[in-house]
Amino acid sequence: QKEVEQDPGPLSVPEGAIVSLNCTYSNSAFQYFMWYRQYSRKGPELLMYTYSSGNKEDGRFTAQVDKSSKYISLFIRDSQPSDSATYLCAMRESTGRRALTFGSGTRLQVQP
Amino acid sequence: SAVISQKPSRDICQRGTSLTIQCQVDSQVTMMFWYRQQPGQSLTLIATANQGSEATYESGFVIDKFPISRPNLTFSTLTVSNMSPEDSSIYLCSVEDPGETQYFGPGTRLLVL
Repeated sequence: QKEVEQDPGPLSVPEGAIVSLNCTYSNSAFQYFMWYRQYSRKGPELLMYTYSSGNKEDGRFTAQVDKSSKYISLFIRDSQPSDSATYLCAMRESTGRRALTFGSGTRLQVQP
Repeated sequence: SAVISQKPSRDICQRGTSLTIQCQVDSQVTMMFWYRQQPGQSLTLIATANQGSEATYESGFVIDKFPISRPNLTFSTLTVSNMSPEDSSIYLCSVEDPGETQYFGPGTRLLVL
């Protein structure tokens, strides 16, 4: 079993839809949670960064962390064709090991 | 956020040869990381490179195959040695900023024939 599980998709939605992307994890030591967006042939771009449980909002993006369920989500409101990319969840422990553990990525296609 | 550049951006190499990838950051950072992203896959950590100390390698990656240098706080290199087609991948460096977030370079696309 992988430490971080993420549905690879592809996920296809119409423009303007609300998108929900999710990851589950097994390591209870994870404290920092991130979402990266990766366009084709580009490096990952940090979208959201959350510490411990709770919600964080930035424009059309909302990140949620539920540590009791070991479940994190990224919501995209009013999705745009420019949101079409692969979304990667990543997480790490609070002390010691600083490297990130990634999910496999969800490919999102927003249809105009 | 830190601005990270990598050279080369892509390369096609013959099996048995070696390629050195450079990673340059526009600010001083303590922690740098090298990841590999195989076609259609997510990112896998190769090693952590801190200035002034030996790189720390993840299980399945060894120094003889992936030697790393970290001569100062803004630069690192990763060499892929004695390449085989299985080494065809995207190689990414990342840095951790003082806010403990990681930013990635654009990647180096390697094809080994």
